[in-house]
Amino acid sequence: EAQVTQNPRYLITVTGKKLTVTCSQNMNHEYMSWYRQDPGLGLRQIYYSMNVEVTDKGDVPEGYKVSRKEKRNFPLILESPSPNQTSLYFCASSAWGLAVYEQYFGPGTRLTVT
Amino acid sequence: SQQGEEDPQALSIQEGENATMNCSYKTSINNLQWYRQNSGRGLVHLILIRSNEREKHSGRLRVTLDTSKKSSSLLITASRAADTASYFCATDAAGANSKLTFGKGITLSVRP
Repeated sequence: EAQVTQNPRYLITVTGKKLTVTCSQNMNHEYMSWYRQDPGLGLRQIYYSMNVEVTDKGDVPEGYKVSRKEKRNFPLILESPSPNQTSLYFCASSAWGLAVYEQYFGPGTRLTVT
Repeated sequence: SQQGEEDPQALSIQEGENATMNCSYKTSINNLQWYRQNSGRGLVHLILIRSNEREKHSGRLRVTLDTSKKSSSLLITASRAADTASYFCATDAAGANSKLTFGKGITLSVRP
């Protein structure tokens, strides 16, 4: 089954404790992306990657890091989480050919930073 | 600022009625996409329309695109209670670095 998986699904942590949210897709997609969703603000893109070792900033990259060492995986790293990073996070993947096509979304990770 | 902005913010209709949702954007695009989200779950892709297309259909969905007005509409015909969800438009801006920008979404409630 074609899917995007994220782990963990729920996470409560404390300010400053480094964490990683994993994302994996089994569709051989070139393009992967991370979004955060906050009430009243919709989805905002954090980082995206057009292929292995190619990443770029989205609209809200501050406080986040990503890496793309393998095509299927695109982890999101919070080196020193802060309460304003409390949010619902989505990973997505799609084919890419000079345009972004249909995105497949993971189930989401609800992060609370206290 | 948001590239795509949906209108209205919320819509409540009776089952069987049609629902029309609008999206406006600011810059030239490669394509425009509509997604649905059920209550905190992952978004599900509904339909993609390219910049050189004017109308597209998929089942009960009809999407139009007017690039001169920089706007799109999503029509859901014969709505069902199961269509209750949030709907988002997303634009892939032409010339940009492959960023897909989402609007804030429309909350659709379909009353049984």
